Amino acid sequence: GAGVSQSPSNKVTEKGKDVELRCDPISGHTALYWYRQSLGQGLEFLIYFQGNSAPDKSGLPSDRFSAERTGGSVSTLTIQRTQQEDSAVYLCASSLGQRVNTGELFFGEGSRLTVL
Amino acid sequence: SQQGEEDPQALSIQEGENATMNCSYKTSINNLQWYRQNSGRGLVHLILIRSNEREKHSGRLRVTLDTSKKSSSLLITASRAADTASYFCATDAGGNKLVFGAGTILRVKS
Repeated sequence: GAGVSQSPSNKVTEKGKDVELRCDPISGHTALYWYRQSLGQGLEFLIYFQGNSAPDKSGLPSDRFSAERTGGSVSTLTIQRTQQEDSAVYLCASSLGQRVNTGELFFGEGSRLTVL
Repeated sequence: SQQGEEDPQALSIQEGENATMNCSYKTSINNLQWYRQNSGRGLVHLILIRSNEREKHSGRLRVTLDTSKKSSSLLITASRAADTASYFCATDAGGNKLVFGAGTILRVKS
């Protein structure tokens, strides 16, 4: 597609339920990132995928969080047994990822998660 | 912990004035990037400056980088109401990921 697409744009769930957030990166971008942004805050790195390499999961806050990327394209971020502190906007970004240093990231519009 | 810290946290100016935002970071970097975020939207890349560059321009934007002080500034000249947004610096300190600061909220009054 023309840009990074995320779904759903808004998700309201009850505490304890599982949620799945989807990201469809720009075609041809090998690098994919998930960040979390709490209200009025900066971005917190969660996970990074690069091609077929093992993902960098160093930012995942707990084992309730997991992510996968199928076929080097679409990614799904799963949060199990959601807690109220998980409420945030989850942003996905992609980049060409074929450089030594990190270049420009292209962000989606985000998925706003509210846990009641 | 956050690598970049923006200053000020919030800035309110009149249309036509210049806006300056600063970013400080802690470790050596490969490059530093600035992004803009309109309310409720994703981030949009503005400019990238490499560690061996000192100044870069793009339209009404001017970015400086002082690696000895571990700081960068973003200057927006002749501001417009449409420049109202949050501005974030992000550093590439290796590890193939960007680390973002908490951002500066800019309000341009018309």
